[in-house]
Amino acid sequence: SQQGEEDPQALSIQEGENATMNCSYKTSINNLQWYRQNSGRGLVHLILIRSNEREKHSGRLRVTLDTSKKSSSLLITASRAADTASYFCAAETSGSRLTFGEGTQLTVNP
Amino acid sequence: DSGVTQTPKHLITATGQRVTLRCSPRSGDLSVYWYQQSLDQGLQFLIQYYNGEERAKGNILERFSAQQFPDLHSELNLSSLELGDSALYFCASSVEQGGSPLHFGNGTRLTVT
Repeated sequence: SQQGEEDPQALSIQEGENATMNCSYKTSINNLQWYRQNSGRGLVHLILIRSNEREKHSGRLRVTLDTSKKSSSLLITASRAADTASYFCAAETSGSRLTFGEGTQLTVNP
Repeated sequence: DSGVTQTPKHLITATGQRVTLRCSPRSGDLSVYWYQQSLDQGLQFLIQYYNGEERAKGNILERFSAQQFPDLHSELNLSSLELGDSALYFCASSVEQGGSPLHFGNGTRLTVT
């Protein structure tokens, strides 16, 4: 079974709006990572947050981690049409295994 | 460009056949991972190698095998292919065994007819 589960499965917003995607996981983690995938292409790493961190920023991206709730969120601010892609969370557990969720399909309408 | 090279990009073959997928990791990366992405099962972890040694195994079928060579490139061998093996197969690499981001290739799209 998947370690990470994203919510929502699909999200459609207008350019300029913020997009929030959530991820839940099941067991203790070393870190949680977020990736982006454009259709049919390889995944691109966005941000890594360690289990002892609560929030991390990178440009227009903000990631939070709540280990007590076993959940994380990815916020993309001031979205652009070019942000249209699938976004995956991935939980790294003991043994360094990285398990991906099923992704959120984000569509940003111009 | 992630620096991870996968060949071939596309592969069409018949049921029962055997294929080999090849991956060259990013320069300096010692860890190689293989993932399978299909529409109905998302991204599934298959296997991980670190500096030539197998380090973790996921949902890899017995019909599938992999290895990492001394020059750190890796091959994924798929045999006795079935229709359900049709998927995108991704290779990823990282500097260490854990705690660092994965860099993905653009995948090999396998179609079994």
